[in-house]
Amino acid sequence: EVQLVESGGGLVQPGRSLRLSCAASGFTFDDYAMHWVRQAPGKGLEWVSGISWNSGSIGYADSVKGRFTISRDNAKNSLYLQMNSLRAEDTALYYCAKGDSSSWYEDSWFDPWGQGTLVTVSS
Amino acid sequence: EIVMTQSPATLSVSPGERATLSCRASQSVSSNLAWYQQKPGQAPRLLIYGASTRATGIPARFSGSGSGTEFTLTISSLQSEDFAVYYCQQYNNWPTFGQGTKLEIK
Repeated sequence: EVQLVESGGGLVQPGRSLRLSCAASGFTFDDYAMHWVRQAPGKGLEWVSGISWNSGSIGYADSVKGRFTISRDNAKNSLYLQMNSLRAEDTALYYCAKGDSSSWYEDSWFDPWGQGTLVTVSS
Repeated sequence: EIVMTQSPATLSVSPGERATLSCRASQSVSSNLAWYQQKPGQAPRLLIYGASTRATGIPARFSGSGSGTEFTLTISSLQSEDFAVYYCQQYNNWPTFGQGTKLEIK
């Protein structure tokens, strides 16, 4: 069974940093692109970032470009999101999701999703 | 950025009836469209990809159609477990989602 388990969320002050992790199991991790998708409280879904199987290609939403960095460690079956210069509008549940191809920009539908980790940016 | 617009925002349907949800793209996305179902407190679940291909384990009462800019998700006979929020997502370009349609019991 494919499983994605996020961790690292919490309450953080504006301008500070946080690093999210996603532990993957049940599939060959380094065969697939991985993504982060977020959902602000009571709101819809927003794609944040995607990374290809070998980290050779990465994409970001304009809203996080220059502040967030996605990475992966295939030896550890893990995905990460380093979030710097956090803002109140970054408050959301952050989901880790598996893509359906090795490239983040191809066949980039998301299946499955983890249960999410909540990030709250507030002073 | 490709903007996805879903309609209606809320749809009230009785169990056993058919539900039709719409999704429109601001420019052509070919057939690069997915549908998700999200229940309260749960992560989204993939229903449809490639505009019309059901994901593994998805019941046949769910069907998707359309291409280009106009797409439809049809649930042929609503079951109690189908009342949820549904999102469309295009992946022809940087992925973007619609704002969601809440399917509620009439």
